[in-house]
Amino acid sequence: GQNIDQPTEMTATEGAIVQINCTYQTSGFNGLFWYQQHAGEAPTFLSYNVLDGLEEKGRFSSFLSRSKGYSYLLLKELQMKDSASYLCAVYILTGGGNKLTFGTGTQLKVEL
Amino acid sequence: NAGVTQTPKFRILKIGQSMTLQCTQDMNHNYMYWYRQDPGMGLKLIYYSVGAGITDKGEVPNGYNVSRSTTEDFPLRLELAAPSQTSVYFCASSYAGDYGYTFGSGTRLTVV
Repeated sequence: GQNIDQPTEMTATEGAIVQINCTYQTSGFNGLFWYQQHAGEAPTFLSYNVLDGLEEKGRFSSFLSRSKGYSYLLLKELQMKDSASYLCAVYILTGGGNKLTFGTGTQLKVEL
Repeated sequence: NAGVTQTPKFRILKIGQSMTLQCTQDMNHNYMYWYRQDPGMGLKLIYYSVGAGITDKGEVPNGYNVSRSTTEDFPLRLELAAPSQTSVYFCASSYAGDYGYTFGSGTRLTVV
């Protein structure tokens, strides 16, 4: 089966840096996505890692270690609008097609 | 660009009623997916399709049916609505499985 773990909630201060961790145990692993979801809205794509290492995209960076089954999303210079749920999702290759399996999400609250 | 369009946005059903959630995309994506999201939880895959005429079950298919007669449309059918199907339903599409998903805005369904 598939197992994806991430913290339920995190709180951080505006202007600070926060790291959201994700660990996974899956078969057929072929990459890891991070999505942002504001309350009442659809998820939006943030990043995709398929190789080990760090991918930087503006204030957001994502890291993957395939051997450790571990990823993190790093948010710098936090803004109030970054308050949202952050979903870790594992991309899995199966005989019937490719699909994403999502973790339960980390609710990030940014405070003044 | 319309992207992924879901209708309706909100619906209240009585137990035992049936309905179809509509999903249409105009990006010529081969891959389409239906997810449900319960409060405070991640997204669970209901059904997916890798092309017209091809569908397959996800993690939680019971109580649902789908069809994919065209590339653009991927409707989700609830035959006998139950309170356990109260959820937010998201349709998504992608060009290929590892290109990141584009999500529709969601359908909030309540079964009473």
